[in-house]
Amino acid sequence: NAGVMQNPRHLVRRRGQEARLRCSPMKGHSHVYWYRQLPEEGLKFMVYLQKENIIDESGMPKERFSAEFPKEGPSILRIQQVVRGDSAAYFCASSRGPNEKLFFGSGTQLSVL
Amino acid sequence: DQQVKQNSPSLSVQEGRISILNCDYTNSMFDYFLWYKKYPAEGPTFLISISSIKDKNEDGRFTVFLNKSAKHLSLHIVPSQPGDSAVYFCAAPPQGGSEKLVFGKGTKLTVNP
Repeated sequence: NAGVMQNPRHLVRRRGQEARLRCSPMKGHSHVYWYRQLPEEGLKFMVYLQKENIIDESGMPKERFSAEFPKEGPSILRIQQVVRGDSAAYFCASSRGPNEKLFFGSGTQLSVL
Repeated sequence: DQQVKQNSPSLSVQEGRISILNCDYTNSMFDYFLWYKKYPAEGPTFLISISSIKDKNEDGRFTVFLNKSAKHLSLHIVPSQPGDSAVYFCAAPPQGGSEKLVFGKGTKLTVNP
């Protein structure tokens, strides 16, 4: 009965590189959410996806960030040309449907050197 | 503008005593509130919630109180146990759904044996 799986747990990138964060939702869940936690801050909503659809990306930075949840495979959060300010913990959550309880993964800690 | 505020970054209590964690909000449209608990290197896990039609919700050792006129809620843990040591986040969904939770910055609770 695996929960939400995120990998990698830790990711180190140099400035200008690309970061790819993966999230596999809980079994039976078709809704995925990405949140970011900057140091000393609370979690901030980034994007909400269903299979093959972006439902709400109002929390995503306008440039360099993108997310997808393909028909097959995990959801991917992609950050192009990373900068030091992207260093944060990125959490994925999933739910069975809208307005259902969110279950969070353990997060990916991104460090940009 | 922080819509959910947790003004105490940390709290330390003795085992067996009561822990009271506070949360204030500014958006009067919030009608549902959640508390999440987070251990280091793990994702947040749902703890307890309360709807604005209630002023109290209890689940075992955990009770959440809501004061709508003061836009204030609090989480009481009685009796506190060392395993309760974690960061506690207050959160609210701004549009009534759970997809775009707005989180406070969290309060780190330490329960001393």
